[in-house]
Amino acid sequence: NAGVTQTPKFRILKIGQSMTLQCTQDMNHNYMYWYRQDPGMGLKLIYYSVGAGITDKGEVPNGYNVSRSTTEDFPLRLELAAPSQTSVYFCASKPPGTANEKLFFGSGTQLSVL
Amino acid sequence: SQELEQSPQSLIVQEGKNLTINCTSSKTLYGLYWYKQKYGEGLIFLMMLQKGGEEKSHEKITAKLDEKKQQSSLHITASQPSHAGIYLCGADRTGTASKLTFGTGTRLQVTL
Repeated sequence: NAGVTQTPKFRILKIGQSMTLQCTQDMNHNYMYWYRQDPGMGLKLIYYSVGAGITDKGEVPNGYNVSRSTTEDFPLRLELAAPSQTSVYFCASKPPGTANEKLFFGSGTQLSVL
Repeated sequence: SQELEQSPQSLIVQEGKNLTINCTSSKTLYGLYWYKQKYGEGLIFLMMLQKGGEEKSHEKITAKLDEKKQQSSLHITASQPSHAGIYLCGADRTGTASKLTFGTGTRLQVTL
């Protein structure tokens, strides 16, 4: 099993450009998450999904959109990139139906908006 | 202010020394998770604590949960260079672990 796979690993965007960060998992996990990690800070939840077709906002959703058409994929869309979105983005997933299972994390996407 | 405060923010210890990292919550905890992040990589799960007074150990790392104080501590005994990284605590506020709130992290360096 590959686990949680994120692409790309690095990306530089110009202000106003758009892009999609890809996240896929092969563990049949219902729950999926997008976090961002700013330098010297912890993780902040952007969006999460408890299953295909269901998404919900986290702490910092502004400037982002998500969709969950399949169990495996949870892409994060930046429509009009801004310098404040420079960060490291982590996708994570969790097994279905259990309250106390751990999150599995991808290796992250480092995004710079210049 | 942060819901989850970690202290210290950074730590440099000599190999072989013991150390403790603290995580304090300003809100009710239903579960407390500890993760480790190696520089430039994703997060690796260390352990999860649910009940007040619970203590878990994995190799040389021990974590405890003080439910009354809404605080958890992570203790590393006889630190090694492999322990270097960023340690993050995460809290379940819903009771279902549908989403976790993370602390600001503690950056640990272990010198030879």
